[in-house]
Amino acid sequence: QQQVKQSPQSLIVQKGGISIINCAYENTAFDYFPWYQQFPGKGPALLIAIRPDVSEKKEGRFTISFNKSAKQFSLHIMDSQPGDSATYFCAASRDDYKLSFGAGTTVTVRA
Amino acid sequence: NAGVTQTPKFQVLKTGQSMTLQCAQDMNHEYMSWYRQDPGMGLRLIHYSVGAGITDQGEVPNGYNVSRSTTEDFPLRLLSAAPSQTSVYFCASSYSSGQGDYGYTFGSGTRLTVV
Repeated sequence: QQQVKQSPQSLIVQKGGISIINCAYENTAFDYFPWYQQFPGKGPALLIAIRPDVSEKKEGRFTISFNKSAKQFSLHIMDSQPGDSATYFCAASRDDYKLSFGAGTTVTVRA
Repeated sequence: NAGVTQTPKFQVLKTGQSMTLQCAQDMNHEYMSWYRQDPGMGLRLIHYSVGAGITDQGEVPNGYNVSRSTTEDFPLRLLSAAPSQTSVYFCASSYSSGQGDYGYTFGSGTRLTVV
């Protein structure tokens, strides 16, 4: 049983559009929420991460929104580019380094 | 700086065979872990280590063994391969910033097929 539920499974967005990926968790002990980006044939790479004491974190075109009361967090990719086409994973951990991953979202950006 | 190196990149095994997936890191990270990636299931933790000589089970440990004799190396052993172990395996090493951030570095993966 996955501790982090991720949706959608896949999405297609036009170049310049916004991609939104949502994740939900049940374990209130989770206190670290990273997002990973994975290209075909490669390992996941850390994209951006947030802790529950902030509601939003932005790095370039990538923004995490965090809703502690709803136990949900999301990744927004602004001005999506073809190079953003990849699989994105949300994850969570609780005061240790063991990550629980979501199932992944495949993002396709059409030029 | 090589980061996390996994070998081999591809492997085909027959049911019942054993093998070792190699993982080495050159970043002096304390923590190392093995994940398997299956379609629609994300990555699931198999085994992990918090330092040389210390290992523990993750979410899906059955059929796998690990050991950590040095900081750098963390091999994963498949004892008797089964078709259910067909997957992509990722090794990762990580550090703790001491402020709750864990900098993970993943290897490029080993694609294993068991026939």
